[in-house]
Amino acid sequence: DVVMTQSPLSLPVTLGQPASISCRTSQSLVSSDGNTYLNWFQQRPGQSPRRLIYNVSNRDSGVPDRFSGSGSGTDFTLKISRVEAEDVGVYYCMQGKHWPQWTFGQGTKVEIK
Amino acid sequence: QVQLVQSGAEVKKPGASVKVSCKTSGYTFANFGVSWVRQAPGQGLEWLGWISGYNDNTIHSPKLQGRLTVTTDTSTSTVYMELWSLRSDDTAVYYCARDGIAVASPGMGDYWGQGTLVTVSS
Repeated sequence: DVVMTQSPLSLPVTLGQPASISCRTSQSLVSSDGNTYLNWFQQRPGQSPRRLIYNVSNRDSGVPDRFSGSGSGTDFTLKISRVEAEDVGVYYCMQGKHWPQWTFGQGTKVEIK
Repeated sequence: QVQLVQSGAEVKKPGASVKVSCKTSGYTFANFGVSWVRQAPGQGLEWLGWISGYNDNTIHSPKLQGRLTVTTDTSTSTVYMELWSLRSDDTAVYYCARDGIAVASPGMGDYWGQGTLVTVSS
């Protein structure tokens, strides 16, 4: 089974400052079709998860451009260029290479200092 | 617009079963699958199973040891998840989410239901 390891698990950030979350996987997420199935989700308090990024770096419709995803192989990053109050929540990376069996990281809690 | 609307909260005793529905709309049901994910209190996300909206093919997490049944009603574009032999550690919010139909695709997890709290308690 692929293991997803996020860091940090807790991320206090000052409003307007950048934030970065790492997701490392135990095996490459490059699929035989050439795509890399690594998604990022945001879960605000009391809400359902919301997908922000798919296939490493593609922003979903309606997602602010302060969110960006990057990486390759086994090492991926979600960046928030300037954190706003509405960004508070838990962020999860998810692999879809071994579809349909999704695997999530442990989650990173973003809070305002 | 795409929507997945789940049934309401349930309270069950250990050993009982629970059936949660997920009514989909706003897209062609047969062109996508649906996955189920749960989240225990204060914990992360755990994938449970998937079903095709086209031909009822299903795949389940081996961790559930055969206690999960996922079905569809194509006439109403609704997906059902039934969990048997409930234990206290099955207490969680259960989510349905749109997924791919046969292979990994950009559709994975792009829309989610609002969640259904299932509480297992004697």
